[in-house]
Amino acid sequence: DTAVSQTPKYLVTQMGNDKSIKCEQNLGHDTMYWYKQDSKKFLKIMFSYNNKELIINETVPNRFSPKSPDKAHLNLHINSLELGDSAVYFCASSLRLAGGYEQFFGPGTRLTVL
Amino acid sequence: SQQGEEDPQALSIQEGENATMNCSYKTSINNLQWYRQNSGRGLVHLILIRSNEREKHSGRLRVTLDTSKKSSSLLITASRAADTASYFCATDQYGNKLVFGAGTILRVKS
Repeated sequence: DTAVSQTPKYLVTQMGNDKSIKCEQNLGHDTMYWYKQDSKKFLKIMFSYNNKELIINETVPNRFSPKSPDKAHLNLHINSLELGDSAVYFCASSLRLAGGYEQFFGPGTRLTVL
Repeated sequence: SQQGEEDPQALSIQEGENATMNCSYKTSINNLQWYRQNSGRGLVHLILIRSNEREKHSGRLRVTLDTSKKSSSLLITASRAADTASYFCATDQYGNKLVFGAGTILRVKS
């Protein structure tokens, strides 16, 4: 009964390829997020969606395009992958928008760009 | 940088000892949260403390917040090997998002 799930768990690909990561939450939350965690464990928000509407876009290159088909899903598509995109990507959700709510994280997707 | 800073960066203690981690931040906040991350896993929420609160407890966890010093501490009492993880503070800076610190790596030796 996973609350926030992501697929795939591991993704190894060549530079220049396009790839997608999928995220689903079964918590009935309104808000979903994508975070990037680099090799030094810094966790930085990339996007947040509230009720399928983009709320936060933290100066992420436009090669990254999130899509929220419904409140329970938030996918991340990455075009023309670069070496610097290698990181762990986490999806998260919270009951409402605003930092006053705890966030529930998925298990992460480790992306390696060769 | 908006990100908070945790210290120490790494902490190694014996099982049964207490572990204290500190977090400092730079702007006004609405609340502060602590999260744990086990190796290879997602973050798990531990505790939330609001800006008008000074101390909060949850089981073996005790969190303090000093808004005048812009700092918070997380104390884990009677540590166990299973507490080995990275611990992150995250601040709600009134921007509809959380800003995470760099984390403290805690190792509890049995």
